[in-house]
Amino acid sequence: GQQLNQSPQSMFIQEGEDVSMNCTSSSIFNTWLWYKQEPGEGPVLLIALYKAGELTSNGRLTAQFGITRKDSFLNISASIPSDVGIYFCAGWTSGTYKYIFGTGTRLKVLA
Amino acid sequence: DVKVTQSSRYLVKRTGEKVFLECVQDMDHENMFWYRQDPGLGLRLIYFSYDVKMKEKGDIPEGYSVSREKKERFSLILESASTNQTSMYLCASSFRTGRYNEQFFGPGTRLTVL
Repeated sequence: GQQLNQSPQSMFIQEGEDVSMNCTSSSIFNTWLWYKQEPGEGPVLLIALYKAGELTSNGRLTAQFGITRKDSFLNISASIPSDVGIYFCAGWTSGTYKYIFGTGTRLKVLA
Repeated sequence: DVKVTQSSRYLVKRTGEKVFLECVQDMDHENMFWYRQDPGLGLRLIYFSYDVKMKEKGDIPEGYSVSREKKERFSLILESASTNQTSMYLCASSFRTGRYNEQFFGPGTRLTVL
């Protein structure tokens, strides 16, 4: 099935650093979702975006719905060790039932 | 607090066994999904249901069937388990219409077929 391009694939950062990751698509979406998944667990929804240009925060996390509706960005500020995990995006288009998922960004935080 | 629960976190079954994976959501969602997640392959949709007794095949339905007798419950059935069905299985749910299309996942079932 289709997957969204997500970059970077992995990141090793120092505690306290800021993190940026993005998802791009060849198709437009009406909804962008960002998830975090820890080993052996199901994905947990972090942020949902519904409008082009929308910027939404959830604590230290900020995500944006790209103006073209074909991309989205997630930023994590002042990373901490518990931010470790795989982050992935998902896009949804009205009139469909399918969510298209990104390939994931594996984040490791060094204390 | 939204909740999707799955009947087992870990399962070990033998080749040829019939396997049932159960999923329950308490959010009154119309849509329910079953995915499998494998390293390097990402999340792949097995089946989708948009209403009670309604189902649609996803990208990889072969070897699987589903049942949705009640709105809150969606079951995945492996009629005759095979080793290539060893995987992490994730259930999810969402509203069918309206502005909010968040999809919520359960904790996952790690299935090993020997």
